[in-house]
Amino acid sequence: GAGVSQSPSNKVTEKGKDVELRCDPISGHTALYWYRQSLGQGLEFLIYFQGNSAPDKSGLPSDRFSAERTGGSVSTLTIQRTQQEDSAVYLCASSLPGSSEQYFGPGTRLTVT
Amino acid sequence: DAKTTQPTSMDCAEGRAANLPCNHSTISGNEYVYWYRQIHSQGPQYIIHGLKNNETNEMASLIITEDRKSSTLILPHATLRDTAVYYCIVRVASNFGNEKLTFGTGTRLTIIP
Repeated sequence: GAGVSQSPSNKVTEKGKDVELRCDPISGHTALYWYRQSLGQGLEFLIYFQGNSAPDKSGLPSDRFSAERTGGSVSTLTIQRTQQEDSAVYLCASSLPGSSEQYFGPGTRLTVT
Repeated sequence: DAKTTQPTSMDCAEGRAANLPCNHSTISGNEYVYWYRQIHSQGPQYIIHGLKNNETNEMASLIITEDRKSSTLILPHATLRDTAVYYCIVRVASNFGNEKLTFGTGTRLTIIP
């Protein structure tokens, strides 16, 4: 079956611009995570959605970052007024509720110039 | 989550079995051992998990010692495509909440032609 998909695969933007990253989770996976990974670094948790519950936003690094999940499926991560330190690979993962078996998308490589 | 210790890097000849060790001496009785890997420029990939019995799936086998303080991931016939960073983590299987993943430095496995 189809895995997690993300778009765009690459995004280059100028400092100060807003960007939107999209994630399509595996059908039936009600849990959705956003992470980011800087070059050579580990995973940094950003935000978690589970069904209709309020999202866990504890990992968002600043108020320039926001995410939403419409209809319990597709999610968008928005970064406003991008900064160079936002450059990273943004990864989306989905899973069945409460499972540590997470299935990751290929990521979006964001470069802020 | 219990701390894990893995070798920084390993090499394995193509076609041979790759045996990746992980120490988790502080593992609790309700914590599982999970393995993920990350191939260069791709998102992390779930491999396998287990509690105390040995587990096998289409990708790998997981051998957990009787005292559960260490485990070994076995890729039975390594191919060049198995070159990746392999992460061993221990955690409760389900809190039915935010199961955000945190990876350590992992083992960089290089398959030699």
